[in-house]
Amino acid sequence: EAQVTQNPRYLITVTGKKLTVTCSQNMNHEYMSWYRQDPGLGLRQIYYSMNVEVTDKGDVPEGYKVSRKEKRNFPLILESPSPNQTSLYFCASSWTSATSEKQYFGPGTRLTVL
Amino acid sequence: LAKTTQPISMDSYEGQEVNITCSHNNIATNDYITWYQQFPSQGPRFIIQGYKTKVTNEVASLFIPADRKSSTLSLPRVSLSDTAVYYCLVGDTGAAGNKLTFGGGTRVLVKP
Repeated sequence: EAQVTQNPRYLITVTGKKLTVTCSQNMNHEYMSWYRQDPGLGLRQIYYSMNVEVTDKGDVPEGYKVSRKEKRNFPLILESPSPNQTSLYFCASSWTSATSEKQYFGPGTRLTVL
Repeated sequence: LAKTTQPISMDSYEGQEVNITCSHNNIATNDYITWYQQFPSQGPRFIIQGYKTKVTNEVASLFIPADRKSSTLSLPRVSLSDTAVYYCLVGDTGAAGNKLTFGGGTRVLVKP
């Protein structure tokens, strides 16, 4: 089954404690991205990756890091989380970034930073 | 930069048709128009996509006028389970890189 998986699904942590949210897709997609979703703000793109070892900033990259060492994985790293990073996070993948490509979204990770 | 504008919310009743219009005045020649549906605490799900004129699938129809500056998503005979947020998406493939931008979405509430 074609899918995007994220782990963990829920996470409560404290300010400053480094964390990683994993994302994996089994469709051999080139393009992957991370979004955060906050009430009233819709989906905002954090980072995206056109291919292995190619990443770039989205609209709200501050406080986040990503890496793309393998095509299937695209982890999101918060080196020093702060309360304003409390949010719902989604990973997505598609063959390319073109709007002609269907994006597949993961189930989401709800992060709370105390 | 192809930004989109949608109504913030719409209410409807079961069995009615719901039409959501999205404005995208600066759409580029190569851009497609894609709509996603999102239920609470779930990731968005692709529902329909088009370039011009009309597209129909088992879930919805998409109407795009000749100038492509807007598009209308039509949900026929909605049910309670169609309550969701609907996003209109037009790609931004400019010099800054291939970055996809979701608009604010339209919250559709279907009432019994």
